[in-house]
Amino acid sequence: RKEVEQDPGPFNVPEGATVAFNCTYSNSASQSFFWYRQDCRKEPKLLMSVYSSGNEDGRFTAQLNRASQYISLLIRDSKLSDSATYLCVVPPKGQAGTALIFGKGTTLSVSS
Amino acid sequence: DAGITQSPRHKVTETGTPVTLRCHQTENHRYMYWYRQDPGHGLRLIHYSYGVKDTDKGEVSDGYSVSRSKTEDFLLTLESATSSQTSVYFCAISESAGQETQYFGPGTRLLVL
Repeated sequence: RKEVEQDPGPFNVPEGATVAFNCTYSNSASQSFFWYRQDCRKEPKLLMSVYSSGNEDGRFTAQLNRASQYISLLIRDSKLSDSATYLCVVPPKGQAGTALIFGKGTTLSVSS
Repeated sequence: DAGITQSPRHKVTETGTPVTLRCHQTENHRYMYWYRQDPGHGLRLIHYSYGVKDTDKGEVSDGYSVSRSKTEDFLLTLESATSSQTSVYFCAISESAGQETQYFGPGTRLLVL
C-alpha cells in the first residue's frame, strides 16, 4: 500500500449535495492527520485536523478509522465555493522523516 | 495567515542557468520545507531544514541545493536548471517536526525553457 492514497475524482456534485472523500494510509503508527484544501493556482491551506474521536467544523466532518487505516472528509450542503482540491495529509514514518506526507488530492466541483 | 512570502512569484529561465528561489517567514518557526507540485505527482518534498544551517534531503533532491543562514530565510537553488524542473515550488513552515501542521507560502511558478 502506498503511504497515502486518494481517489483523484473529479467529484461533480450539485449545490446542496453531501459528498464524502476517503483517504487510505499505510503507516499504522500515524497519530496526526489533516485535510488541506487547495484552490486552483493557490497554495494548500489547512482545512481541519482529524482526531481519533472525529471532529466537525460547520458543514465539514472528518473521521478517522484506525482499524481500516483510512480517514474521511464529509461535506454537507455543498456550496459553489467548496470547489477545490482536497489533500489528505498523514505524518511521516519513523523518526527520520520530518515532513508531512501529502496525498495527490481529490478534486471537487460543485455546480449550480 | 502565516507570514510566509516567496520570491520571485514567477520566473522564466533557460536550461543550464542557475536559479535561486527565496522563502521568507516572520513566524520564527524552526522547520522550513521546499516542495514541488506537478500534475499527477502531488506535492513532493525537495529539501527541508530543522534549524539554521541544518538541512536534509527529501524525496526529489537531485539537482537542488538549499541554504539556511537565518531562521527566517530558506533558499532553494537549482544549480543548472533543466526543463524537468519546470514546476510550481512551495515553501512551507512548521513549529516542530512530523506531527505538526505546515503552513505554505504562495508558491513560485518556474518555467525552464
